[in-house]
Amino acid sequence: DVKVTQSSRYLVKRTGEKVFLECVQDMDHENMFWYRQDPGLGLRLIYFSYDVKMKEKGDIPEGYSVSREKKERFSLILESASTNQTSMYLCASSPSDRGLVNSPLHFGNGTRLTVT
Amino acid sequence: AQSVTQLDSQVPVFEEAPVELRCNYSSSVSVYLFWYVQYPNQGLQLLLKYLSGSTLVKGINGFEAEFNKSQTSFHLRKPSVHISDTAEYFCAVSNNAGNMLTFGGGTRLMVKP
Repeated sequence: DVKVTQSSRYLVKRTGEKVFLECVQDMDHENMFWYRQDPGLGLRLIYFSYDVKMKEKGDIPEGYSVSREKKERFSLILESASTNQTSMYLCASSPSDRGLVNSPLHFGNGTRLTVT
Repeated sequence: AQSVTQLDSQVPVFEEAPVELRCNYSSSVSVYLFWYVQYPNQGLQLLLKYLSGSTLVKGINGFEAEFNKSQTSFHLRKPSVHISDTAEYFCAVSNNAGNMLTFGGGTRLMVKP
């Protein structure tokens, strides 16, 4: 089974801190995604990556950046955390050769970030 | 651009009753449609998907969904729910390339004994 591991289940950070959320997948997937999940808003795509060192903005990239130095690892960075970034963050991966129509997104269990 | 509207944020239902979770989408291109489920403290997992062909799609755990192109809907149904079906359900639509999903706001299904 594909495993997508997010390094922290809960994080509490202060306003202005630089925050790193880490995600590792063990199935050699090319595609990796970062979503944030908020009540009533569902999942919104922050950034995604189709290959090492490659990144594309999603629907809500402001205030975030990402890093993909290795195929299995996709990091989300909050350069200066703010209270409106308090949310659940979900990482996902999928293989590139079949697209999402033939292979589902595989999600991690999420990191609940609180910024105070 | 695609968008997805889940019409109910919460659906309470008694155990063994039928349930329908509603989903409407908008898209300017042919779409692929998905339902994902999120159990408490877990990530999302695929429940079922519509790609083409028969408009009635069967998924895991006894769920099914019907694609209705004229009404741009993809409602999820189960004839008899269990306590273990308590979860949040997300409808999603893919982009034309099939490599990105847009999710709805989610529906929390609460099954009561």
